[in-house]
Amino acid sequence: EDKVVQSPLSLVVHEGDTVTLNCSYEVTNFRSLLWYKQEKKAPTFLFMLTSSGIEKKSGRLSSILDKKELFSILNITATQTGDSAIYLCAVEAVDQGGKLIFGQGTELSVKP
Amino acid sequence: NAGVTQTPKFQVLKTGQSMTLQCAQDMNHEYMSWYRQDPGMGLRLIHYSVGAGITDQGEVPNGYNVSRSTTEDFPLRLLSAAPSQTSVYFCASSKRDTKNIQYFGAGTRLSVL
Repeated sequence: EDKVVQSPLSLVVHEGDTVTLNCSYEVTNFRSLLWYKQEKKAPTFLFMLTSSGIEKKSGRLSSILDKKELFSILNITATQTGDSAIYLCAVEAVDQGGKLIFGQGTELSVKP
Repeated sequence: NAGVTQTPKFQVLKTGQSMTLQCAQDMNHEYMSWYRQDPGMGLRLIHYSVGAGITDQGEVPNGYNVSRSTTEDFPLRLLSAAPSQTSVYFCASSKRDTKNIQYFGAGTRLSVL
């Protein structure tokens, strides 16, 4: 059975800290891995990764995929209170019509 | 830009009642899907559609029906609500060639008593 596991499930840090969120997966015929950020309402897209070892970066956020070890990490440097959210990892398999399998999410709280 | 619009935002039902959660998108996206989000379980796919007139089941379809008569709309029907359907429901849409990059609505919080 395909599954996605995120860790930790929750995390509390202080502003300025650097955090690393983990996502491991077991999916037959992997196609892509995606990261979403969910603040109070709708998840919003952050990154899509398809190739191993290529870092995707957007400001203080970056992500990398390891297809051999079946995991991805999301790094956030110099955290701010606005980074407080649930971070969701999702995986897409080939020939699954775009269906995404989501992990449980990591709830990040950044304290001032 | 409206994007993906879900109505209502909140709903309370009694066990056995029926209702329809509405979802509309104005981005001309071919692909639409419904998820439910429960604490500690992430998002789980209920039903999805790759285009008007075509729907298919996701991971947790029991108790829910969908139809897709137009590209824009993808309503989710609960025929006989049960307390186990208490959840937050999200509708999402995406383009055909980037189905995995999905745009989500703001969600409907449903309580079934």
